[in-house]
Amino acid sequence: QQQVKQSPQSLIVQKGGIPIINCAYENTAFDYFPWYQQFPGKGPALLIAIRPDVSEKKEGRFTISFNKSAKQFSLHIMDSQPGDSATYFCAASSGGNTPLVFGKGTRLSVIA
Amino acid sequence: DAGVIQSPRHEVTEMGQEVTLRCKPISGHDYLFWYRQTMMRGLELLIYFNNNVPIDDSGMPEDRFSAKMPNASFSTLKIQPSEPRDSAVYFCASSINGLYNEQFFGPGTRLTVL
Repeated sequence: QQQVKQSPQSLIVQKGGIPIINCAYENTAFDYFPWYQQFPGKGPALLIAIRPDVSEKKEGRFTISFNKSAKQFSLHIMDSQPGDSATYFCAASSGGNTPLVFGKGTRLSVIA
Repeated sequence: DAGVIQSPRHEVTEMGQEVTLRCKPISGHDYLFWYRQTMMRGLELLIYFNNNVPIDDSGMPEDRFSAKMPNASFSTLKIQPSEPRDSAVYFCASSINGLYNEQFFGPGTRLTVL
């Protein structure tokens, strides 16, 4: 019930490509879905987040798409750059300050 | 703002030794979380506090692990005795009470138990 399944484990794209990372969840009580970005040697940092009352959210080159009926959400990175190379984690929680449940992470490499 | 501060950044110890990891949350944040990150299991919640009170410690793997938060600006995670399988990166995160819990992570402590 608490799991968040993330795929793929790793992803290599060319500069300018659009990497897509997918996550799925089972717990229908989840109502907050953030994505965190982690660079080597650093802690994860919030990138973008969505609530289930909208199906899409854009912030700069990053977009979350959310499908409530399928219990899936995904991260798209437009015009990817080598500086986007990092590990990306999806997460979910059931509101307020309840703990986040994280996916296993996707290691993204953007090659020039 | 200095962000979440963790010390030490790296710790190498021998099996059986006591290890203490330290965390200073962002001032004014009233939630504090301890996570462990490994390649196999990803990011796992160990324990979290609200206003210095432990709320959920169900993620603490064994009695060898203990955590305290004696005041709003300091928390410790202790492992006694340590084992090689405890080798991981341990993160502390804090958040402010609110509708959406953006958690701010520290830089982590990389623990190696030989």
